[in-house]
Amino acid sequence: QQPVQSPQAVILREGEDAVINCSSSKALYSVHWYRQKHGEAPVFLMILLKGGEQKGHDKISASFNEKKQQSSLYLTASQLSYSGTYFCGTYGAGSQGNLIFGKGTKLSVKP
Amino acid sequence: SAVISQKPSRDICQRGTSLTIQCQVDSQVTMMFWYRQQPGQSLTLIATANQGSEATYESGFVIDKFPISRPNLTFSTLTVSNMSPEDSSIYLCSVVTPNTEAFFGQGTRLTVV
Repeated sequence: QQPVQSPQAVILREGEDAVINCSSSKALYSVHWYRQKHGEAPVFLMILLKGGEQKGHDKISASFNEKKQQSSLYLTASQLSYSGTYFCGTYGAGSQGNLIFGKGTKLSVKP
Repeated sequence: SAVISQKPSRDICQRGTSLTIQCQVDSQVTMMFWYRQQPGQSLTLIATANQGSEATYESGFVIDKFPISRPNLTFSTLTVSNMSPEDSSIYLCSVVTPNTEAFFGQGTRLTVV
């Protein structure tokens, strides 16, 4: 079951904040966040493994609400380097380690 | 962590031909995954490659079109056979480490003309 991401696209000015949401109709046991810049492979940001967990580094953080079956990625005081497409990924039923990715959220940070 | 070397990084191929993509990992991993990313789309799993057994294909992907080899625990290949323009995509290999972090190769950007 593919997780649902929202919004599909965001345009920000440098210094503004953004929130990207990822939700699933199935039980979530972990949520993975990746950022992909144009023409490059996805790059790992963080994993959240249990309900209530919050993580962050630099000005990018995430939370995981297991009961609501959703996760949110928070980008604070955005920088130009934050531009890219953000994907959340979850393990599907019977997964052997492969991730099922959402459709992505395209983030554009303007000067 | 894991470092994955994937090649070629890009290729332009004639329809009807085949291309083999190679993926080399710097450590032994049980499973390797092959994804396809069509332009502007998300990543879709093609198959899971286990060493010593046949690959497991996802719905919509078949072995005749995407044969996979996994001769050892650090290497895998994906072949895109009898290519058509619809096969133009980015193909990525991936591995998952024990802490469940997924690493990706640099991707192969395939254009079929």
